[in-house]
Amino acid sequence: NAGVTQTPKFQVLKTGQSMTLQCAQDMNHEYMSWYRQDPGMGLRLIHYSVGAGITDQGEVPNGYNVSRSTTEDFPLRLLSAAPSQTSVYFCASSRGVLLSTDTQYFGPGTRLTVL
Amino acid sequence: KNQVEQSPQSLIILEGKNCTLQCNYTVSPFSNLRWYKQDTGRGPVSLTIMTFSENTKSNGRYTATLDADTKQSSLHITASQLSDSASYICVVNDMRFGAGTRLTVKP
Repeated sequence: NAGVTQTPKFQVLKTGQSMTLQCAQDMNHEYMSWYRQDPGMGLRLIHYSVGAGITDQGEVPNGYNVSRSTTEDFPLRLLSAAPSQTSVYFCASSRGVLLSTDTQYFGPGTRLTVL
Repeated sequence: KNQVEQSPQSLIILEGKNCTLQCNYTVSPFSNLRWYKQDTGRGPVSLTIMTFSENTKSNGRYTATLDADTKQSSLHITASQLSDSASYICVVNDMRFGAGTRLTVKP
């Protein structure tokens, strides 16, 4: 099993550009989520999904869109990148949904810089 | 103010020594508390998870404790190794993350 994979590992964008961060898992997990991690701050939840076709907003959803057409994939879209979106983005998955006791597995992260 | 506060922000210890990291939270109602280890440049890796009814959970040399009444948790690392150098993150209810404690273990 590859676990949770994320692409790309690094990305530089100009303000106003759009892009999609890819996330995939091969563990047949129902729950997937996206976080951003900024220096000196804890990870913050952007969006999450409890299954294919179901998504919901987390703590900091503005500027980001998600979709979940398959169990395996959960892409994160930046429609018009802003410097405030410079961050490290992590995707995670688990068998159980929020507040379960199942282990949550994180991907290796995507380091995004918006100029 | 963050609802999950971790202390200390950073800690340096010698190899073989023990250490304890603290996590205080104000999140309510409480459902679960997780501890993660995050190596530099990598995603967090789960160490322990505790629910309201559990007050201790071990994973090898890592032991987490929880006092739901005082809303405090600690992560105790025994006989530290160089590979324990990492950030340790406390998470409450799967959504509230602490900023982490940066642990450095020196030979």
